[in-house]
Amino acid sequence: DGGITQSPKYLFRKEGQNVTLSCEQNLNHDAMYWYRQDPGQGLRLIYYSQIVNDFQKGDIAEGYSVSREKKESFPLTVTSAQKNPTAFYLCASSLSAGGGIQYFGAGTRLSVL
Amino acid sequence: AQSVTQLDSHVSVSEGTPVLLRCNYSSSYSPSLFWYVQHPNKGLQLLLKYTSAATLVKGINGFEAEFKKSETSFHLTKPSAHMSDAAEYFCVVSLAYNQGGNLIFGQGTELSVKP
Repeated sequence: DGGITQSPKYLFRKEGQNVTLSCEQNLNHDAMYWYRQDPGQGLRLIYYSQIVNDFQKGDIAEGYSVSREKKESFPLTVTSAQKNPTAFYLCASSLSAGGGIQYFGAGTRLSVL
Repeated sequence: AQSVTQLDSHVSVSEGTPVLLRCNYSSSYSPSLFWYVQHPNKGLQLLLKYTSAATLVKGINGFEAEFKKSETSFHLTKPSAHMSDAAEYFCVVSLAYNQGGNLIFGQGTELSVKP
């Protein structure tokens, strides 16, 4: 069953703690993306990766980090430098970075304790 | 620069009546345009896509959208609303390949369907 899997579904972060959100895809897509969604707002791009071992900052990259060591995996770390991390985080992938359809995971909701 | 504006933050209709969700875009070239739907606490699902073929695009669940270049619009319609259509809808424009092929999302329109 092909798709994008995000885990965990819910995550809580303590003050000063780094947390990592997982995103795995078995669609054999080259490009992967991380978005942040706040209530009443559209999605904002955090980071994207067009190919393994390469990634680019999006519009709101400060306080976040990513890696792309494997084609199928694109984990996002929310660092302690991100002062307002409470949001819904969505991972997506596309066949290539050429503006085609992006397929989304079910999301991770991050809250601060 | 590319941008997208959804003209209504919230639309309410009665079950069985038509749905119209409005979207205007701005693009310096011929864009790809999408409509996505998001049910509460879920990821986004593609409804339909326009890529410079037919201007009237048919999507899933009875939705369709018409690309009107003269009006820079890409409104989403459905002849008869169903309770299961209640969700948030996003109009999206695609950036050019040399900009990472990224998507620009509208602010979203929340659709409510009354029995």
